[in-house]
Amino acid sequence: AQTVTQSQPEMSVQEAETVTLSCTYDTSESNYYLFWYKQPPSRQMILVIRQEAYKQQNATENRFSVNFQKAAKSFSLKISDSQLGDTAMYFCAFMIIPGGKLIFGQGTELSVKP
Amino acid sequence: GAVVSQHPSRVICKSGTSVKIECRSLDFQATTMFWYRQFPKQSLMLMATSNEGSKATYEQGVEKDKFLINHASLTLSTLTVTSAHPEDSSFYICSARDQSYEQYFGPGTRLTVT
Repeated sequence: AQTVTQSQPEMSVQEAETVTLSCTYDTSESNYYLFWYKQPPSRQMILVIRQEAYKQQNATENRFSVNFQKAAKSFSLKISDSQLGDTAMYFCAFMIIPGGKLIFGQGTELSVKP
Repeated sequence: GAVVSQHPSRVICKSGTSVKIECRSLDFQATTMFWYRQFPKQSLMLMATSNEGSKATYEQGVEKDKFLINHASLTLSTLTVTSAHPEDSSFYICSARDQSYEQYFGPGTRLTVT
């Protein structure tokens, strides 16, 4: 069975600083995608970034980047130049390709302080 | 990105009544939709996978007679909570998957059973 673990229930960071959220996963599959989702207080789930397991290059989206370590089954999210609007719950998720369902981690509540 | 709507956003019902929640993919066809339940400060719990034109696949522990799912078209899935009780009060989220395996989430429905 696949599992996703986020070991940091809560984190805080000062505005404009950098923060890294951790995620590890366990699978015996070789073809999968990894995701980070953001859930702000509105509770709308927003895709932050996606990483295909077959790609060696780490995905980046503006201030968001990942450190994908396939052998270690680690998938951390780095947020640079943190903004107040980044305050949210962040979920790491895993999906087997093709046709799998999203498996979510427990979430990390991030607070960005002014 | 693609848009998924959910209706209603909030609903209050009396114990013993049934409630229907609609999930629509507005600008793409979704052969697969998913229904999640989320308690405060917790992760999303997958309830069922809904495939257009076929019966939904329920996760272990989810009562299929209580949570009726219908995916009658490529853009609409419905979740009906039958004979609702206070313990069914929760935040329900749907998502729709496109052909690139990206999942787009609805804004959620807050159900309160009195």
